[in-house]
Amino acid sequence: EPEVTQTPSHQVTQMGQEVILRCVPISNHLYFYWYRQILGQKVEFLVSFYNNEISEKSEIFDDQFSVERPDGSNFTLKIRSTKLEDSAMYFCASSEFKGGAYEQYFGPGTRLTVT
Amino acid sequence: SQQGEEDPQALSIQEGENATMNCSYKTSINNLQWYRQNSGRGLVHLILIRSNEREKHSGRLRVTLDTSKKSSSLLITASRAADTASYFCAIQPMNRDDKIIFGKGTRLHILP
Repeated sequence: EPEVTQTPSHQVTQMGQEVILRCVPISNHLYFYWYRQILGQKVEFLVSFYNNEISEKSEIFDDQFSVERPDGSNFTLKIRSTKLEDSAMYFCASSEFKGGAYEQYFGPGTRLTVT
Repeated sequence: SQQGEEDPQALSIQEGENATMNCSYKTSINNLQWYRQNSGRGLVHLILIRSNEREKHSGRLRVTLDTSKKSSSLLITASRAADTASYFCAIQPMNRDDKIIFGKGTRLHILP
């Protein structure tokens, strides 16, 4: 069964450094998303991406964040200058329109630790 | 807020018993989804129930949806130790294809 993959599984970085989190969505999906989950808290929506542009972003997704689909398969989240509070699990998801609904499939997540 | 709110926040039951978790929300929805998350791991999609559906089954899982009360329940029958996890409901607001909104989750612990 097709699945969303994410790399790396764990990323440790120093405060102020740039990180790029990578995702390979399911191949025939058209919508892509990033969510994050701070340890012990709920999953929060960051951004959605459709037709090569951002369709919505949350207030968390400030100028330090950007997304890109550099080729036909990858979908990346870049954090330009990481802060301690960016430490979280970051989940990528993709969706297709199926049976009248957009069902999102999540990747296994990247655990980002900012020191 | 629009988000789903699960209750209880935590639930401990004996193996073999049934576990029921509830979710309430405030906005009109396209669908409601339930996810499972083992500690520190990824999100596993369990069931999606559309706004025009009232009940859905998948194996030992039964989900109900009452749009008039803006609530949903997830029932796990004959619980097993492997069901120990956090369970989240997530709503897709009406006419919003671009995101789903998660609740805070219920931590379920199955006692041997």
